Amino acid sequence: AQSVSQHNHHVILSEAASLELGCNYSYGGTVNLFWYVQYPGQHLQLLLKYFSGDPLVKGIKGFEAEFIKSKFSFNLRKPSVQWSDTAEYFCAVNPSGRALTFGSGTRLQVQP
Amino acid sequence: DTEVTQTPKHLVMGMTNKKSLKCEQHMGHRAMYWYKQKAKKPPELMFVYSYEKLSINESVPSRFSPECPNSSLLNLHLHALQPEDSALYLCASSHLTDTQYFGPGTRLTVL
Repeated sequence: AQSVSQHNHHVILSEAASLELGCNYSYGGTVNLFWYVQYPGQHLQLLLKYFSGDPLVKGIKGFEAEFIKSKFSFNLRKPSVQWSDTAEYFCAVNPSGRALTFGSGTRLQVQP
Repeated sequence: DTEVTQTPKHLVMGMTNKKSLKCEQHMGHRAMYWYKQKAKKPPELMFVYSYEKLSINESVPSRFSPECPNSSLLNLHLHALQPEDSALYLCASSHLTDTQYFGPGTRLTVL
């Protein structure tokens, strides 16, 4: 069965620091990859996705992610975080069908 | 419009009650999903409907009964729940294998 690993469970950064959240998946075939964000008290929102093509994808709010097939990774990055980026971040994969498998999530806390 | 709506926002019920959660989307999506999310945990898939037919049931107890009356609506009927079923219940929809869009969820408390 496929699995998704997010190794950073809780990350604390100061404003303007750079962010990289790790995501690794275990599935050998073609996958669709996603990063979702859940702001406090709000619903899951799509940050960005990768289906095919350019492995560097850009999402909303200045986020980007890079798909590295050889490393089974899809890490999320942002060059300069803001206090408003405080949220829970979930990586998810969708190999071939319709069900998403989520990672355990990373709680990002940005201090002003 | 990428909106999925869910009602109610909050629900408190006793273990002997029968209640229903509702989900609606008007994006023309033909796949709809129920997820359960416990505090500080990722969403866990419960059910998938494709073209109004149940295609995936992730071994969910029978006290949860999904229903898809038409392509825009998805219900989750609840009966004889346990306190451990208290969670945020999320609905999502998609164009089959494409991106899933999530609703705000129903926060359920079982007393």
